[in-house]
Amino acid sequence: EVQLVESGGGLVQPGRSLKLSCVASGFTFSNYGMNWIRQAPGKGLEWVAYISSGSSYIYYAETVKGRFTISRDNAKNTLYLQMTSLRSEDTALYYCASGDYGYNLDYWGQGVMVTVSS
Amino acid sequence: EIVLTQSPTTTAASPGEKVTITCLASSSVSNMYWYQQKSGASPKLLIYSTSSLASGVPDRFSGSGSGTSYSLTINTMEAEDAATYYCQQWSSNPLTFGSGTKLEIK
Repeated sequence: EVQLVESGGGLVQPGRSLKLSCVASGFTFSNYGMNWIRQAPGKGLEWVAYISSGSSYIYYAETVKGRFTISRDNAKNTLYLQMTSLRSEDTALYYCASGDYGYNLDYWGQGVMVTVSS
Repeated sequence: EIVLTQSPTTTAASPGEKVTITCLASSSVSNMYWYQQKSGASPKLLIYSTSSLASGVPDRFSGSGSGTSYSLTINTMEAEDAATYYCQQWSSNPLTFGSGTKLEIK
């Protein structure tokens, strides 16, 4: 069974940093591209970032470019999202999801909440 | 950026009724993907490559379309289909989602 389990969320002040993790199991993590998607409370889905299976290709949404960094450790089956210079508008439930560039998002984690507030 | 416009925003259907949700793209896309998100849950892939059912999805769901116009159809509405549905494209960066269609049961 495919499982994606996010962690690392919480309450953080504006301007501070936070690092999310997503541990994958039930599939060959190193063969798949991975994504972060977020959903603000009561709102729709917003794609945040993509990383290819071997980390060669990385893409970001304009809203987070220069502030967020996606990375992965295939030996640990783990995806990361380093978030810096956080803003109130970054408050959302953050999902990791498997899916290769140009295609759909196959499997989603349960999400981890990030709240940016003073 | 390709903008996806879904309609309706909200709708309600009786059990057994047919439901169609439309997704219009601001530029032509090669494929459309559809997700179902029930209250308090993560999104789940329903349809990939415009018209292919994801694993375990009941065959009352179907997808169609081409170019800039796509649709998701539920042939016979069931209570468990109450959810928010999103379309998604990745024909060009960035990946974008529609704003969602909330489907309620009457």
